[in-house]
Amino acid sequence: DADVTQTPRNRITKTGKRIMLECSQTKGHDRMYWYRQDPGLGLRLIYYSFDVKDINKGEISDGYSVSRQAQAKFSLSLESAIPNQTALYFCAASGSTDTQYFGPGTRLTVL
Amino acid sequence: AQSVTQLDSHVSVSEGTPVLLRCNYSSSYSPSLFWYVQHPNKGLQLLLKYTSAATLVKGINGFEAEFKKSETSFHLTKPSAHMSDAAEYFCVVSDPYNTDKLIFGTGTRLQVFP
Repeated sequence: DADVTQTPRNRITKTGKRIMLECSQTKGHDRMYWYRQDPGLGLRLIYYSFDVKDINKGEISDGYSVSRQAQAKFSLSLESAIPNQTALYFCAASGSTDTQYFGPGTRLTVL
Repeated sequence: AQSVTQLDSHVSVSEGTPVLLRCNYSSSYSPSLFWYVQHPNKGLQLLLKYTSAATLVKGINGFEAEFKKSETSFHLTKPSAHMSDAAEYFCVVSDPYNTDKLIFGTGTRLQVFP
């Protein structure tokens, strides 16, 4: 869905580096989410946010942090990247219903 | 706890033949259920959603799914497969205690042969 965009689309980095993944949405949705996808495991929730002042941990938040800079922007940071954080990362947004709309994903490789 | 099981990791069909992707769920309450599709190098697109209004849910691209409470199933079907249907399909249930938490199945990869 072009209403949710993610940058970068691909990133290769080294162990110990700090990485930030950006997400923006144009629908004015209050809720935003970060997931990671690993082969054979489906998507798992990292963090989610109801609004700028409300951040919640998901299933696998260790090693990650987030920032909701504005209603439309939600960034995910890896303070010190490690190889097992190599994955496909998805951002999503939703409004008043539980339907989430996903971005195109960011493929992150940590060497 | 809520969970979703996709019974097949891979499904292969010939173009023009029916598609059946199987999903069973576990939920203490009437759940919201979704099917999402992920084409290669693309994000997840919502195919359809069940929210108790009707047990047969029609989605985009000719897909539909039937909610069967007695069987705790939400299988995805399409009468006639098209080459463009080749993708990964995810069955998803929302946590009734926190509808912001979606619980994903492990996915079914659909191959369509000419």
